[in-house]
Amino acid sequence: EVQLVESGGALVQPGTSLRLSCAASGFNFDYYAMHWVRQAPGKGLEWVSGISGNSKSIGYADSVKGRFTISRDNAKKSLYLQMNSLRGEDTALYYCARQSGTAVLHYYFDYWGQGTLVTVSS
Amino acid sequence: EIVMTQSPATLSVSPGERATLSCRASQSLGSNLAWYQQKPGQTPRLLIYGASTRAAGIPDRFSGSGSGTEFTLTISSLQSEDFAVYYCLQYNAWRTFGPGTKVEIK
Repeated sequence: EVQLVESGGALVQPGTSLRLSCAASGFNFDYYAMHWVRQAPGKGLEWVSGISGNSKSIGYADSVKGRFTISRDNAKKSLYLQMNSLRGEDTALYYCARQSGTAVLHYYFDYWGQGTLVTVSS
Repeated sequence: EIVMTQSPATLSVSPGERATLSCRASQSLGSNLAWYQQKPGQTPRLLIYGASTRAAGIPDRFSGSGSGTEFTLTISSLQSEDFAVYYCLQYNAWRTFGPGTKVEIK
């Protein structure tokens, strides 16, 4: 059974940093590209970042480019999101999502974690 | 960056009626479009991928159509469990979600 479990969410002040983690199990982790998707309270879904299985291809939404860094450790079957210079508009539930294939493009999200909540407020 | 739009923002439908949701892309996606359903407090559920292929376990009252820049999700006869928010997702160039269509009870 595919499982994705996010952790690391917290209440933090603007301008600070936070690192999210996603522990994967039940599938061949290093084969699949992985993504972070967020959802602000009461708002829609927003793709944040994605990374290929071998970490050679990485993409970011314009809203987080230069502030967030995605990475993965295939040996630990874990995905990470390092978030720096956090802003109030980064407040959201952050989901880890697996895509349905190995190449970074042309695959939809087929499994989602339950999310971890990040609140940026003074 | 590909921009996705959805219409209408809210759709009021009576149970048993047909619902038609639209999704438009700012550039051609081919068939690289998926539809998700999300209910309050739940994670998104994949309904359709490849613009028209139903995901496993999805009832056949859900159907998708379109290609290029214009896509449609049709729910042929709304059931009580179908009232939710629906998002389209393009996966032709990284990823972009549409803003969503809320399907509410009329």
